[in-house]
Amino acid sequence: DSGVTQTPKHLITATGQRVTLRCSPRSGDLSVYWYQQSLDQGLQFLIQYYNGEERAKGNILERFSAQQFPDLHSELNLSSLELGDSALYFCASSADGRSNQPQHFGDGTRLSIL
Amino acid sequence: QQQVKQSPQSLIVQKGGISIINCAYENTAFDYFPWYQQFPGKGPALLIAIRPDVSEKKEGRFTISFNKSAKQFSLHIMDSQPGDSATYFCAATIQGAQKLVFGQGTRLTINP
Repeated sequence: DSGVTQTPKHLITATGQRVTLRCSPRSGDLSVYWYQQSLDQGLQFLIQYYNGEERAKGNILERFSAQQFPDLHSELNLSSLELGDSALYFCASSADGRSNQPQHFGDGTRLSIL
Repeated sequence: QQQVKQSPQSLIVQKGGISIINCAYENTAFDYFPWYQQFPGKGPALLIAIRPDVSEKKEGRFTISFNKSAKQFSLHIMDSQPGDSATYFCAATIQGAQKLVFGQGTRLTINP
């Protein structure tokens, strides 16, 4: 058990809809990362937050947004969903914002767009 | 430039054998190289990691070999067991940044 909790485990919705994925980092970790895993693109970094502030952005679509709350949990919001957004979404956390810190992953949310 | 190329895509090894997975990179700004293990239905789990000032790191049956001049690194699993059957990802981070750049993954199967 990595200590990172993601909910829900599965999400099935339709095109055009909006969903929110939730992540609780390991106790004491200040930094949260979101990654997308798909068959064609592999594991891709989306965005990082550190202690409530956005730290880095990767291949995140404009339809997607995220935030980290004062209690350090994070949410990833996906809107105007398309079929191609079907993927596994992982959250990871690390102790602080320094480089070379181990990142610990949750078990992901599987998003299926019908 | 911000790519990590991993091979092979899939690998079948007999129980007790050595599993070897290779990764290569171009960007010399990468300065941290972790390996992750992923079982079906689970998230990637950190297995072992190395920094470029070290040529080899061993933890139990798992060893990372690092060749800085060739910009290559590899994971060796000694005495491979059926429980090692999983997908393995190499990754890298750029100095000063935290985002992981992943290889495409290797599906490892250990035959009993």
